[in-house]
Formats: sequence, structure tokens, C-alpha cells
Amino acid sequence: EVQLVESGGDLVQPGGSLRLSCAASGFIISTYEMNWVRQAPGKGLDWVSYISSSGSTIYYADSVTGRFTISRDNAKNSLYLQMHSLRVEDTAVYYCARQGYCTNGVCYGMDVWGHGTTVTVSS
Amino acid sequence: QSVLTQPPSASGTPGQRVTISCSGSSSNIGSYFIYWYQQLPGTAPKLLIYSNDQRPSGVPDRFSGSKSGTSASLAISGLRSEDEADYYCAAWDHSLSGWVFGGGTKLTVL
Repeated sequence: EVQLVESGGDLVQPGGSLRLSCAASGFIISTYEMNWVRQAPGKGLDWVSYISSSGSTIYYADSVTGRFTISRDNAKNSLYLQMHSLRVEDTAVYYCARQGYCTNGVCYGMDVWGHGTTVTVSS
Repeated sequence: QSVLTQPPSASGTPGQRVTISCSGSSSNIGSYFIYWYQQLPGTAPKLLIYSNDQRPSGVPDRFSGSKSGTSASLAISGLRSEDEADYYCAAWDHSLSGWVFGGGTKLTVL
């Protein structure tokens, strides 16, 4: 079964740090681009970061640039999000999402999502 | 404020057809595919439509997508109670170098 499982969410004080992990199973993560997407309580989906299959191309939302770092360990079939200088407004459920291939004129978008891990930033 | 614009709510009675709109710009919907996600209460988002109008296996053909210029829409026909969920549109944006989402539309089945 194709699956993504996030972990590492916790309650942290403003200014603190946290590292989220996303373990993939049922597929080889090294061939896929990956994303982190978050959802604040009662709010909509908010894209956070993207990493190419090789890790050579990385993008961040303006709101997290300079504070968050996305990385991947293809040998461990895992994706990570290192978060520093956390703010109250970073409180959210964080999802990792696989970005499906583009082939034969179609692209599959973020086609597999994990269940999410909760990050709460509060004093 | 979201880059893509969706109505915050929509509703219909069982069996009806409802549509949800999504408006963007030339840097996102106008240049790239649109995707639709369904989020049932308390669950992770699920891909509903990819590449404007394609359904993943397992998604009923009651769900259909379309795109024209910088706008897109999701149609749900034969509305059922289990369709009650939040629906999000998404597209890549080359100006922002990232994915952008609509604010979400809460669908209520009356």
C-alpha cells in the first residue's frame, strides 16, 4: 500500500525548533518530487515547501523562507522539514504530499498525502 | 487571502448538481493544470481531479472538472450526503515558484 506517515509534531514555545519527518512506504521516494503543506486550525490548505526528486531544486513559501529547511534521505525513503524560529502563526497540521509524475500530457499533482502531524507553537 | 479564489460555501439537496468555481491568473491557472482536492471532516486531503479534468481511479464519475483561461470549476452531479466536505482547488504558480490553493469551499448537503 502506498503510504506517507508524518511524525515529529509537538508543542513548542515561540522561537523554538522542531524537525518533522515523513516516512514513505509502498513506493520509492527517490523518483518523486515531494511537498509539505500545512493547515492551521479551522483554515485552508497552505503550501510550505517543495523539493525535487534529486534534492537539487527547492522552493519555499515566503512565510517560511529563512526559517524552514526541507530535505530528503532517499536511502531512508524519507522526507524532512526542519523548522526554526517558530511563530504562533506556524501552528498547524503539517502534511507531506507526494507529487505525481507528468507523463503523456498529464500531471498527477499532489496525489498521495499523509495523515498529518500537529505542530502547536504557544507559550 | 488566497491566491486562488473560491466561494466559501455551496449547498445542494441530494440528487442535485452543484458547481464550485476557482479563479486565478495567468501565472497559475492560466499556465498550468488545475487540481481539485476533497477533504472530509477530520481527514487528510484527497486528490479528486488532476490535470483539469481527469479522475483518479476510484473517484466516481459524478465528479468532473473543467478549465477555461484563468478559471476552473468542479461539478458534482447526483449529490450525495457523503459528498459533504471541503473542496480545494490548486495550481502551480510560476511567479511564486510554488503551489497555490483556493481558500476552500464548504459543501453542505441539505
